[in-house]
Amino acid sequence: GQQVMQIPQYQHVQEGEDFTTYCNSSTTLSNIQWYKQRPGGHPVFLIQLVKSGEVKKQKRLTFQFGEAKKNSSLHITATQTTDVGTYFCARSDYKLSFGAGTTVTVRA
Amino acid sequence: DTAVSQTPKYLVTQMGNDKSIKCEQNLGHDTMYWYKQDSKKFLKIMFSYNNKELIINETVPNRFSPKSPDKAHLNLHINSLELGDSAVYFCASSQVLTGTGGIGKQYFGPGTRLTVT
Repeated sequence: GQQVMQIPQYQHVQEGEDFTTYCNSSTTLSNIQWYKQRPGGHPVFLIQLVKSGEVKKQKRLTFQFGEAKKNSSLHITATQTTDVGTYFCARSDYKLSFGAGTTVTVRA
Repeated sequence: DTAVSQTPKYLVTQMGNDKSIKCEQNLGHDTMYWYKQDSKKFLKIMFSYNNKELIINETVPNRFSPKSPDKAHLNLHINSLELGDSAVYFCASSQVLTGTGGIGKQYFGPGTRLTVT
């Protein structure tokens, strides 16, 4: 199936710093969804991006959809310990195809 | 109120046994799913049902048999369990979006951690 590639796999961040996780596809995406899974928890929907070049913000989280709709990114500013978890992107067509996730740990 | 619930939360069993996991959603969604998450956290769809009808079967071994008695319930029965079946199984539900070319956001259940020894 058509996969989305997500990098990096792991991100170790100092509290207060920023980081970005990237999601790339070799084919055009109709839309993309982002999820967060806390350790021991279940994936929770964060956002869906549909339009080319779309940028959406949720407090310290900024989501972007590329102009060609082949990539997306999640940028977190001023990382907090509550940001710990795994962030997944997923291409959405007739099903969701998840990337491998970026697992974020935070150093206090 | 829990939107998507699964039972049991933990399941430890021996190879060769048969087990079932139950899922219920109270969101009024038409579509329900089973996902498998392996030890590397890779999340992959197994099955999808829309209004009790199977619409996605992602080359899952036929030891896995989903059943949807009504659109609020989707159960998963696994025969002859193998070591490789050890994983976390998530149930989810969603509405189908129109006009965006994709499915709606997924509401996941808490997961069932299956350990086969």
